[in-house]
Amino acid sequence: GAVVSQHPSRVICKSGTSVKIECRSLDFQATTMFWYRQFPKKSLMLMATSNEGSKATYEQGVEKDKFLINHASLTLSTLTVTSAHPEDSSFYICSARQTGNTEAFFGQGTRLTVV
Amino acid sequence: AQSVTQPDIHITVSEGASLELRCNYSYGATPYLFWYVQSPGQGLQLLLKYFSGDTLVQGIKGFEAEFKRSQSSFNLRKPSVHWSDAAEYFCAVGPRDFNKFYFGSGTKLNVKP
Repeated sequence: GAVVSQHPSRVICKSGTSVKIECRSLDFQATTMFWYRQFPKKSLMLMATSNEGSKATYEQGVEKDKFLINHASLTLSTLTVTSAHPEDSSFYICSARQTGNTEAFFGQGTRLTVV
Repeated sequence: AQSVTQPDIHITVSEGASLELRCNYSYGATPYLFWYVQSPGQGLQLLLKYFSGDTLVQGIKGFEAEFKRSQSSFNLRKPSVHWSDAAEYFCAVGPRDFNKFYFGSGTKLNVKP
């Protein structure tokens, strides 16, 4: 299957700082990328959907100004957690999909810890 | 409302025993159904998927799942579990244009030697 690479796999940041997470499709063009957040002992919750060159569509309850998503190219989307707080600590996973392809491929996830 | 229910949070089976993980969904349209596995610290790996046709689908690592429309279920099975199968398993449903997944809350599988 196609490969989606997420970086970094782990990051620790101080409260109040911003952190950027990258999601790259290595061998295909990802017209759509999805960002999920996984709470402890809970399922993956979709945060936002981004189409290349367009503004991301955020799910209800997700703060657009806090979780900035950029999908500037067909192989890269970034999620920036701004002014991070300890409650933002979580496992963030991206997935990427080609147009017309019914499968989305997942990255390996990023464990964010805000101290 | 769209939702996926995995009623079992934890399951423990002995190595070599059979396994069935339950998944029920509520979806307003014809769904695509998926099972993913997540090993500790890893991303999601697709085990199998159902789009249409034969309701019994085969996946990787010896897993299979059966789609039962009348029961809105898509249970995952494996005849003989290996210790390496210990992980968390997620059932997911999505629309035909695959714009959005709905995931279940996951079932954590422990395998006893």
